[in-house]
Amino acid sequence: QQQVKQSPQSLIVQKGGISIINCAYENTAFDYFPWYQQFPGKGPALLIAIRPDVSEKKEGRFTISFNKSAKQFSLHIMDSQPGDSATYFCAAAYSGAGSYQLTFGKGTKLSVIP
Amino acid sequence: DVKVTQSSRYLVKRTGEKVFLECVQDMDHENMFWYRQDPGLGLRLIYFSYDVKMKEKGDIPEGYSVSREKKERFSLILESASTNQTSMYLCARQGAWDTQYFGPGTRLTVL
Repeated sequence: QQQVKQSPQSLIVQKGGISIINCAYENTAFDYFPWYQQFPGKGPALLIAIRPDVSEKKEGRFTISFNKSAKQFSLHIMDSQPGDSATYFCAAAYSGAGSYQLTFGKGTKLSVIP
Repeated sequence: DVKVTQSSRYLVKRTGEKVFLECVQDMDHENMFWYRQDPGLGLRLIYFSYDVKMKEKGDIPEGYSVSREKKERFSLILESASTNQTSMYLCARQGAWDTQYFGPGTRLTVL
């Protein structure tokens, strides 16, 4: 079964610090790697995504680093803020199947303390 | 703004009841999905649909069925609810590329 392994399960970071969440995948056919952010009582929302033709993508304080040979990708949140406190999910998909199924990691609960 | 609406935010049902969870999208997109979310397990795909009356099983279809009679509406059905189906249920629709847009979720409690 296709899997995406995410770590850590929970993370506490001080305001202004860097939050790092890691994911590893097994299926080399995956060609799309999004990160979703979920606040309590809300559905997940797309935060940032990357395709394997680039090694890094940055949007504001959020950066995805991608290592194709190691089959790993990570989310870095720079200058973490209390408003970033949420659960983060990595995911992977292969569009070649035509069905655009996402396989999700189990999530990381981030708490940013003042 | 993408809109995926789910009929109920909270639902309490009794064991053995038939339960309908409704999802409506605001776009004319073919692909729609149902997930359940449980602490420590992430999001797990129950069923998805790639067109009207078309469906495919996801990773955990047992105990569930789906209905898609119109493109904008995708329903999840629990034929005979059980306590182990107490969970958060999330509907999503496909966006550009492989992006999925989620509804706010329905928290179902089966007593």
